[in-house]
Amino acid sequence: DIVMTQSPDSLAVSLGERATINCKSSQSVLYSSNNKNYLTWYQQKPGQPPKLLIYWASTRESGVPDRFSGSGSGTDFTLTISSLQAEDVAVYYCQQYYTPPCTFGQGTKLEIK
Amino acid sequence: EVQLLESGGGLVQPGGSLRLSCAASGFTFSSYAMSWVRQAPGKGLEWVSGISGTDDRIYYADSVKGRFTISRDNSKNTLYVQMNSLRAEDTAVYYCAKCSGGTCYFPFDYWGQGTLVTVSS
Repeated sequence: DIVMTQSPDSLAVSLGERATINCKSSQSVLYSSNNKNYLTWYQQKPGQPPKLLIYWASTRESGVPDRFSGSGSGTDFTLTISSLQAEDVAVYYCQQYYTPPCTFGQGTKLEIK
Repeated sequence: EVQLLESGGGLVQPGGSLRLSCAASGFTFSSYAMSWVRQAPGKGLEWVSGISGTDDRIYYADSVKGRFTISRDNSKNTLYVQMNSLRAEDTAVYYCAKCSGGTCYFPFDYWGQGTLVTVSS
């Protein structure tokens, strides 16, 4: 199974500042035939189901604010929130869908400093 | 509007069985793969099982293999998971999630609100 490891486990950032969350996979999730990284980011707020933010590692889902961006390839990925807003307080998860089981990272809790 | 509505959760004794359902609407159900994802209280997300749109491809997490069975009825737009030999560690909110493509090699673009399964004596 592909193991997904996020860092840090928790993060406190001031409003308006940049937040960066990292995700590392135990093997590459880049499919060479289509040059796509099978990596997604979800946001989960308390009491709610997860919400899709980013897929194919860097494609923003429709309706997601452009302060959210994804980058990386192969085994190392990053979710960046360019200017933190109060409504961004949540737990963020990366997930690989390169091969089942479609494993998640352990989550990163983002708070306001 | 895409809607996913899970049902069937509840309290069950260890070793017992439960069947969860997920009623889907707002999209062509048979064209999309579906999955079950669970979240134990205060913990992270765990993918449980997935099934392709035409149900010819089925996958399970090792933690549930041999105990859980995923299925779908495309005529009823409903996803199921039959859970047998339940253990305390199966206690979780179970989410139904829609894949954005017909196979399990796509991200989950819609999620239900979840149904709580509690395994306890």
